[in-house]
Amino acid sequence: DGGITQSPKYLFRKEGQNVTLSCEQNLNHDAMYWYRQDPGQGLRLIYYSQIVNDFQKGDIAEGYSVSREKKESFPLTVTSAQKNPTAFYLCASSSGGHRPSSGNTIYFGEGSWLTVV
Amino acid sequence: AQKITQTQPGMFVQEKEAVTLDCTYDTSDPSYGLFWYKQPSSGEMIFLIYQGSYDQQNATEGRYSLNFQKARKSANLVISASQLGDSAMYFCAMRVGGGFKTIFGAGTRLFVKA
Repeated sequence: DGGITQSPKYLFRKEGQNVTLSCEQNLNHDAMYWYRQDPGQGLRLIYYSQIVNDFQKGDIAEGYSVSREKKESFPLTVTSAQKNPTAFYLCASSSGGHRPSSGNTIYFGEGSWLTVV
Repeated sequence: AQKITQTQPGMFVQEKEAVTLDCTYDTSDPSYGLFWYKQPSSGEMIFLIYQGSYDQQNATEGRYSLNFQKARKSANLVISASQLGDSAMYFCAMRVGGGFKTIFGAGTRLFVKA
């Protein structure tokens, strides 16, 4: 089945550690995204990538890093510089095209819960 | 600047009744798309409905319809015949022409009462 797979579902990070969240999609989508969601809040964009080997910072990129070496994969690293990383992280993808349309709706993975211990 | 505003933190509706969730948006770009998503307690984000800025008719998808009032910059979601399974967070989102960024509102939590 086509979809977006995030792993792990739950992750615990110690102070000073870097951790990486995996995101893989088999929808053949050009664009991929990472969002952060704090309890009871909306989604905030961390990074997005329109094509392989290219990505842009979103609204809250500090303390995070990404790579896009393959079309299917867009891992997110939460670095020790991110002072408050406990949150729910959602990976998403969409087809290309610069004009908004129903065809480039964003679809989401099931999310990853990150907790600092 | 682009912005999405959802002013209702929580809403209650009786089962089988209709409910309207409010969404207003702000953009100066004439080309944009508006989306609604449902987020159950499991956390997944489920796409519900899409409305394009140039669409002449309001979008409908089953029990979901979008009341699009362009001049007022509002895109309210109407859920007809509410079901207990509709209890969830609902997010309004917007993507502006020429960009890949999609921005989200703060969400509205809907409670359906039996």
